[in-house]
Amino acid sequence: GAVVSQHPSWVICKSGTSVKIECRSLDFQATTMFWYRQFPKQSLMLMATSNEGSKATYEQGVEKDKFLINHASLTLSTLTVTSAHPEDSSFYICSARLQGPGEKLFFGSGTQLSVL
Amino acid sequence: GQNIDQPTEMTATEGAIVQINCTYQTSGFNGLFWYQQHAGEAPTFLSYNVLDGLEEKGRFSSFLSRSKGYSYLLLKELQMKDSASYLCAVRSRTTDSWGKFQFGAGTQVVVTP
Repeated sequence: GAVVSQHPSWVICKSGTSVKIECRSLDFQATTMFWYRQFPKQSLMLMATSNEGSKATYEQGVEKDKFLINHASLTLSTLTVTSAHPEDSSFYICSARLQGPGEKLFFGSGTQLSVL
Repeated sequence: GQNIDQPTEMTATEGAIVQINCTYQTSGFNGLFWYQQHAGEAPTFLSYNVLDGLEEKGRFSSFLSRSKGYSYLLLKELQMKDSASYLCAVRSRTTDSWGKFQFGAGTQVVVTP
């Protein structure tokens, strides 16, 4: 199946710093990628839809200036958590849309962010 | 908006069958997906329904009734490795995008010996 690589798998940072998370589709082109956030034992919460070559579409309540998304190529989307605070600590997962019958989503392995 | 409801937890014994129900309310329905997620890992795709009826894939089957806003995932011949969270996800068309996925809270399935 299609592979989506997400890096890093985990990161610990100090409060006030910025963290960049990369999401790559390794064997297919993804015009659309999605970024989710997941708290322990809770559902995936869609944060934003990342469209190649255009601005991301953010869900209600998600701060655009806080969570910067860049989808500069058909295989790479990045999420930057700016001026991170402890409440930003969470599991972040990206997914990429594979066009075709069923149009499946394939997920990255996730990034556990811990802000001290 | 859309609401997706599924039970929080289900327990079953090895070799048994478990059915996980999912009800949803959405506008612009464009497909229902089931994912399996082990703790600390990303979800993996299990099944997809866009038309009414049953889709069977090995030990897993998924059913959809669009008129009722209802789906279920059936897990047969349960194995210990099936212990995981099962997420129901609904895709809906929006005016400005291909489709937006929204996930249910997940059903934690516990398989006991």
